Amino acid sequence: KNQVEQSPQSLIILEGKNCTLQCNYTVSPFSNLRWYKQDTGRGPVSLTIMTFSENTKSNGRYTATLDADTKQSSLHITASQLSDSASYICVAALRDSNYQLIWGAGTKLIIKP
Amino acid sequence: DADVTQTPRNRITKTGKRIMLECSQTKGHDRMYWYRQDPGLGLRLIYYSFDVKDINKGEISDGYSVSRQAQAKFSLSLESAIPNQTALYFCATSDNSQGRQPQHFGDGTRLSIL
Repeated sequence: KNQVEQSPQSLIILEGKNCTLQCNYTVSPFSNLRWYKQDTGRGPVSLTIMTFSENTKSNGRYTATLDADTKQSSLHITASQLSDSASYICVAALRDSNYQLIWGAGTKLIIKP
Repeated sequence: DADVTQTPRNRITKTGKRIMLECSQTKGHDRMYWYRQDPGLGLRLIYYSFDVKDINKGEISDGYSVSRQAQAKFSLSLESAIPNQTALYFCATSDNSQGRQPQHFGDGTRLSIL
């Protein structure tokens, strides 16, 4: 069964600290791995997209890594800010005719001042 | 103005009522999608459309129907709403690139069915 699991479910850190969110996926055939940020009351916004040949991709203070062999990805946030409080969703895309997306349930991150 | 606009933003209605959620986009994308989001679960695809004449069922299409009125407009209908359809509904768009472009989301419709 194609699935994406994220950990932890929720995380609270102090402003200025770094954190890493984890994603394990069981998806075949695999095309690419995506991270989205979802603010409360808003739709998800794309952060990164990585194909199996890409090990790391950055978007400002966000750095995603991908290990296609172990089927794991992580999202590292550096020097967190209050505006980073959101849910972060890991998504795996299938390499099929429609590039179907398999969505994780997300990690809820709270940044405290 | 938002690139992907959903109306209404909030809706409370009763069991058995017919409901339409609307989505319009200014991104010029051919592909449009409807998802629902429930607490603790990932987004689930209801229907998707790759162009005006193309409609496809997603993972959870039972109880829902859609209409693609134009490239820019994609509406979702609940013919006879039931309480377990209470959820947050999102419309999204993407272009035609080989599956490696992001989807762009509206801000959702929070639907409550009593």
